[in-house]
Amino acid sequence: SSMLTQDPAVSVALGQTVRITCQGDILRSYYAHWYQQKPGQAPILLIYVKDNRPSGIPDRFSGSGSGNTASLTITGAQAEDEADYYCHSRDTDGNHWVFGGGTKLTVL
Amino acid sequence: QVQLVESGGGVVQPGGSLRLSCAASGFSFSSYDMHWVRQAPGKGLEWVAFIQYDGSSKYFADSVKGRFTISRDNSKNTLYLQMNSLRAEDTAVYSCARDSTRGAFDIWGQGTLVTVSS
Repeated sequence: SSMLTQDPAVSVALGQTVRITCQGDILRSYYAHWYQQKPGQAPILLIYVKDNRPSGIPDRFSGSGSGNTASLTITGAQAEDEADYYCHSRDTDGNHWVFGGGTKLTVL
Repeated sequence: QVQLVESGGGVVQPGGSLRLSCAASGFSFSSYDMHWVRQAPGKGLEWVAFIQYDGSSKYFADSVKGRFTISRDNSKNTLYLQMNSLRAEDTAVYSCARDSTRGAFDIWGQGTLVTVSS
């Protein structure tokens, strides 16, 4: 099956902006979704279909993408944003789903 | 309140079997496709299996194909994962997730831990 590649770890200063990226050929066929997971908790859907936020998700989270790359941007990172972030999409055969390896975000 | 609650996890020996359940509430379960996702200790998310809203289509990750089966009982609002021929590498927290119809998994359960060990 196909892969989605994320940087394993990223850090950002409190209040600054950070971009987390996800790369994979399957993103040329299907949109990316993004999840936040804190230790011991279930993942939360942050962004769906590239750039849509579910209700209740703060507007400091935004998504974008082009070609084989999707991005999650946090504008004005808060201490509570320290978490693991996963991108997700559907494989090109339509019969499998794929998660990126995850990015651990540290807020300094 | 929209909710998914998994159960059935535990410790099992290699080669053994286990059946997980996922009880749904607060939404029309029979209208949604569902998935199982697992997370090995300290590792990332791994998609495991999919079942269409009416049970007519089922897909599996290559790592579990032929060993795991997925099913649902819409009259009981419950999703199942039957796991056979379990291996040490199947050790993980198994979570069920709702497919939002836009392809994203919008509701997740807290998960149930499966440990495969002798």
